[in-house]
Amino acid sequence: SQTIHQWPATLVQPVGSPLSLECTVEGTSNPNLYWYRQAAGRGLQLLFYSIGIDQISSEVPQNLSASRPQDRQFILSSKKLLLSDSGFYLCAWSVRGRGWGYTFGSGTRLTVV
Amino acid sequence: KNEVEQSPQNLTAQEGEFITINCSYSVGISALHWLQQHPGGGIVSLFMLSSGKKKHGRLIATINIQEKHSSLHITASHPRDSAVYICAAYNNNDMRFGAGTRLTVKP
Repeated sequence: SQTIHQWPATLVQPVGSPLSLECTVEGTSNPNLYWYRQAAGRGLQLLFYSIGIDQISSEVPQNLSASRPQDRQFILSSKKLLLSDSGFYLCAWSVRGRGWGYTFGSGTRLTVV
Repeated sequence: KNEVEQSPQNLTAQEGEFITINCSYSVGISALHWLQQHPGGGIVSLFMLSSGKKKHGRLIATINIQEKHSSLHITASHPRDSAVYICAAYNNNDMRFGAGTRLTVKP
């Protein structure tokens, strides 16, 4: 069966520090991978999605970046965090090209102080 | 106007009540998802619909493609159903989310 792992679960980082959140998927090949952010009291916002290794699409201009060095690994990064980067970050995967099997990771609660 | 609109934003019900959450979308879709987000933040996919109706336990989801509208119903609601329910429209590798409906079921 397919599983998705996301870590860490919580993170407190100072302003200006770097960020690296990791997401891995098991039990499937060629998944679509997604990074979402949910700011306090707001809905989910798509940040990045990827349909393959090194193929990343960015939805919202910001100081975050994403990379997909392996088929089932998706990394969200920042060189210098801002206070406004605080939020709940979710990784998700789906079967490529379809709306099926949409599964979310457990999320990372990031607080930038 | 958001591409995916949900109503109501907040809903409080007594245990046992029948609950309906509505979702309207303005984008083309290949699938419509209903998601459940628990207080800890974890999200679970409840349904994926492209037409008609699906039922799982006490949960029923319907979609009307012509009217671009979907509903999530919960029969015999229970306090453990308390969560945020999110409608999401999927098309072409992209998912657009509603703002969510916060449901509180009181015993």
